[in-house]
Amino acid sequence: AQKVTQAQTEISVVEKEDVTLDCVYETRDTTYYLFWYKQPPSGELVFLIRRNSFDEQNEISGRYSWNFQKSTSSFNFTITASQVVDSAVYFCALSEPSFYNFNKFYFGSGTKLNVKP
Amino acid sequence: NAGVMQNPRHLVRRRGQEARLRCSPMKGHSHVYWYRQLPEEGLKFMVYLQKENIIDESGMPKERFSAEFPKEGPSILRIQQVVRGDSAAYFCASSPPAAPLSYGYTFGSGTRLTVV
Repeated sequence: AQKVTQAQTEISVVEKEDVTLDCVYETRDTTYYLFWYKQPPSGELVFLIRRNSFDEQNEISGRYSWNFQKSTSSFNFTITASQVVDSAVYFCALSEPSFYNFNKFYFGSGTKLNVKP
Repeated sequence: NAGVMQNPRHLVRRRGQEARLRCSPMKGHSHVYWYRQLPEEGLKFMVYLQKENIIDESGMPKERFSAEFPKEGPSILRIQQVVRGDSAAYFCASSPPAAPLSYGYTFGSGTRLTVV
């Protein structure tokens, strides 16, 4: 079973529009971490945010904001006033303790965001 | 402070050849993790190594793939007799000893393997 589901395969918006990327996760652990990474066309992974399972406060960083809701197992990511430079693939990931006491990451399949001028 | 270094960035191999991917962890880090990203997919865990030990290789394909992290030098992911299905981006991350579970890994820039 998928531990992290990103149902939106690809989204296209026009510059300055707001866009929300959905992420739904599944875990039996009470302690876990959720992440968002950005993968621009150059291919590297850029860390955006980490949240732990005990902190449901929403977070805002500039044009980025994250909505964590344990009740619906969701950790959605909103970009306000999108820009062309936001075009990338965005991955949501779940990290939970493994048998060998390290954080094993489970990534969603990614959402490709196209921002058109 | 150099981050996690992976080389080469791009690697082209013909079917049947061997591929060697290298990962140098951040300074002071002795734990390395390899992940594979198949085309149009997210990253999937392959193997977790500490110096001279494989701790968890539950994500490694049973055949042709091996990994090592010697006492000196980088971690190596080795793929023997490559096939087209091995074409993917391979990422590694590292952590210090006794990293807490809250530790956020930094990934290297990846090696893109193309099998022709």
